[in-house]
Amino acid sequence: QVQLVESGGGVVQPGGSLRLSCAVSGFTFSRYGMYWVRQAPGKGLEWVAFIRYDGSYEYYADSVRGRFTISRDNSKNTLYLQMKNLRAEDTAVYYCGATAAAGTVGYWGQGTLVTVSS
Amino acid sequence: EIVMTQSPATLSVSPGERATLSCRASQSVSSNLAWYQQKPGQAPRLLITGASIRAAGIPARFSGSGSGTEFTLTISSLQSEDFAVYYCQQYNNWPPLTFGGGTKVEIK
Repeated sequence: QVQLVESGGGVVQPGGSLRLSCAVSGFTFSRYGMYWVRQAPGKGLEWVAFIRYDGSYEYYADSVRGRFTISRDNSKNTLYLQMKNLRAEDTAVYYCGATAAAGTVGYWGQGTLVTVSS
Repeated sequence: EIVMTQSPATLSVSPGERATLSCRASQSVSSNLAWYQQKPGQAPRLLITGASIRAAGIPARFSGSGSGTEFTLTISSLQSEDFAVYYCQQYNNWPPLTFGGGTKVEIK
């Protein structure tokens, strides 16, 4: 069955870095666009980044552009989010998601919590 | 950026009753509108795409309607497992993808 498993979350100080991973199985990863979506504690959903199925282009939310980088390794069925210069407002559960039709998130991971605090 | 506004913030409904949730876009999104359900401690789940097309495995009691700027998610007869937070999301003009603030459906 479809599985997306995030890892790499944790506690980091402001200004620090973290790399999230999302291991995928159960569908043909190389044919799917991939997302990162986050949810601050007690808040709603916020789209963070998207990468095309072949990695040929990426989009970012204004709030993270220049600090976060989305990437993928289709040979490893894995999605990444490199986060730098982290701020307190980046504290959230980060979900990876997949789409066969650009724009909607058909498959979701269980999320990984990132806490930015001194 | 297209702003999505959901109402009400909280909807109190008795099991077996109908629930009607609203979503408004700040400009037309055509029919490029999705609905998601999120239960506490869980990831969101895709319910509806194209404003009215149920995703695979979604029960028929969930229906979506609307186009342009006004959309509705209707749950025809609420079951216990339907009490959750519901989000709308536009994908007509992105990036960015934008979500509404959510409607919490709670037991009356």
